Amino acid sequence: QKEVEQNSGPLSVPEGAIASLNCTYSDRGSQSFFWYRQYSGKSPELIMFIYSNGDKEDGRFTAQLNKASQYVSLLIRDSQPSDSATYLCAVNLNTDKLIFGTGTRLQVFP
Amino acid sequence: KAGVTQTPRYLIKTRGQQVTLSCSPISGHRSVSWYQQTPGQGLQFLFEYFSETQRNKGNFPGRFSGRQFSNSRSEMNVSTLELGDSALYLCASSWVGGNEQFFGPGTRLTVL
Repeated sequence: QKEVEQNSGPLSVPEGAIASLNCTYSDRGSQSFFWYRQYSGKSPELIMFIYSNGDKEDGRFTAQLNKASQYVSLLIRDSQPSDSATYLCAVNLNTDKLIFGTGTRLQVFP
Repeated sequence: KAGVTQTPRYLIKTRGQQVTLSCSPISGHRSVSWYQQTPGQGLQFLFEYFSETQRNKGNFPGRFSGRQFSNSRSEMNVSTLELGDSALYLCASSWVGGNEQFFGPGTRLTVL
């Protein structure tokens, strides 16, 4: 079992819809969780982080964490074509390093 | 505040050569992590340095090495290059390892 798992996609949503990206992790001791966005040919950009169970909102983005289910998600409201990118989930497995999932490719079509 | 910088941005080498990549972290950040990104494997952790000490190492052969200087700048070295080493090499800095990391633009290495 991989330490951090994501569906590779592509996830296709129409403009204006909610995009829901999911990530599961294997280590119950994981402390912190991050979402990165990576455009093609660019480096990852941090967009959200969450440490506690529940929801955390930042603009159009909401991160949701459920430690009991070992599940973290990212919701993007009012999706725009400019949101089309690969979204990487990263988990701190209670060490000094982040473990990344392989990413979910999101396509937002007009 | 300046972001993470990496040099060079692009490199072309041949098999058997060695290469050194450089990373300058965000001012004040003491942790530097290195990753290899390939289409098939995603982001693979190479190593993490904090205050000139390597604290974590990923599952890469000994041909991959690194170091960190007293000003937190870091270098990674790959010796005896193989075709499979062609990848985007990313460094990321943070206040401490495992927290929010900010990535540099990467070095695209092509091995011929």
